[in-house]
Amino acid sequence: QVHLRESGPRLVKPSETLSLTCTVSGDSIISDIFYWAWIRLPPGRGPEWIGSVYYTGSTYYSPSLESRLTMSIDTPKNQFSLTLRSLTAADTAIYYCARDPGGVDIWGQGLQVTVSS
Amino acid sequence: DIVMTQTPLSLPVTVGQPASLSCRSSQSLVHSDGTTYLNWIQQRPGQPPRLLIYKISNRFSGVPDRFTGSGAGTDFTLQISRVEPEDVGVYYCMQATQFPQTFGQGTKLEIK
Repeated sequence: QVHLRESGPRLVKPSETLSLTCTVSGDSIISDIFYWAWIRLPPGRGPEWIGSVYYTGSTYYSPSLESRLTMSIDTPKNQFSLTLRSLTAADTAIYYCARDPGGVDIWGQGLQVTVSS
Repeated sequence: DIVMTQTPLSLPVTVGQPASLSCRSSQSLVHSDGTTYLNWIQQRPGQPPRLLIYKISNRFSGVPDRFTGSGAGTDFTLQISRVEPEDVGVYYCMQATQFPQTFGQGTKLEIK
C-alpha cells in the first residue's frame, strides 16, 4: 500500500521561501505511470493544483504559481519536493502531496502551512 | 483554465436517503485520447481527501458501491444510493483532461 507523508515548516514569514518534502513509501517513485503532485487547500476554498513532477525530473506547474515555484525529485530517497518563493498570506493553506496518474488518486495526510509575521 | 462548478454548495440529507451531487465544466472534458478525466473526491472532517470515482464512473479501491458516478461531456453527477453517517464531508469534482488540473468549490454534505 502506497503512503505519502509531507514534511516541512508550519509557520513561514511573508516574503520568505517555503520548502516541503514528500516521502513516498510502499512503492517506488520511479514509475512510467505516475506523476507526483502538490495540491493545496486554502481556507474556505476548493483545492488548487500546484504542480506535478515525473521521475525523470520533468515538471508541470500551475501558470499562476510558475514564477515562484520549483519542484524536484530525489529517486534514491523516494522523495519529491516543492519550493515556493516570495510567500504572502494568500499562500496560507493545507499542502498535500499526492500520486498523479492523470487526476490525483492517493493523497498524503497534509501539512498546515501558515504565512504570518 | 477549465472552471468546475458544483451544485448545490450545501446538501442536507437524511440517513438512508439518496443524494445527488452535480458538477459542470466550462469546456468538454473529453481528452484527445477519448478518455474523460473527471474524478470525484471526498474529504471527511479532519481527514485528507480521498479519491472516490475516477474517469467519470470507476470506483477507486475500497469505495462502497453505494457511490456511483455518471455523466459525459460537461455534465457529471455523483449519486449516493443511501447516505450513511460516515458520508458527511465535502465532495469535490476535479478534471485532469486539460492542463492545469482544476477542482470545483465543493458540495458540503450534512446529515439532517
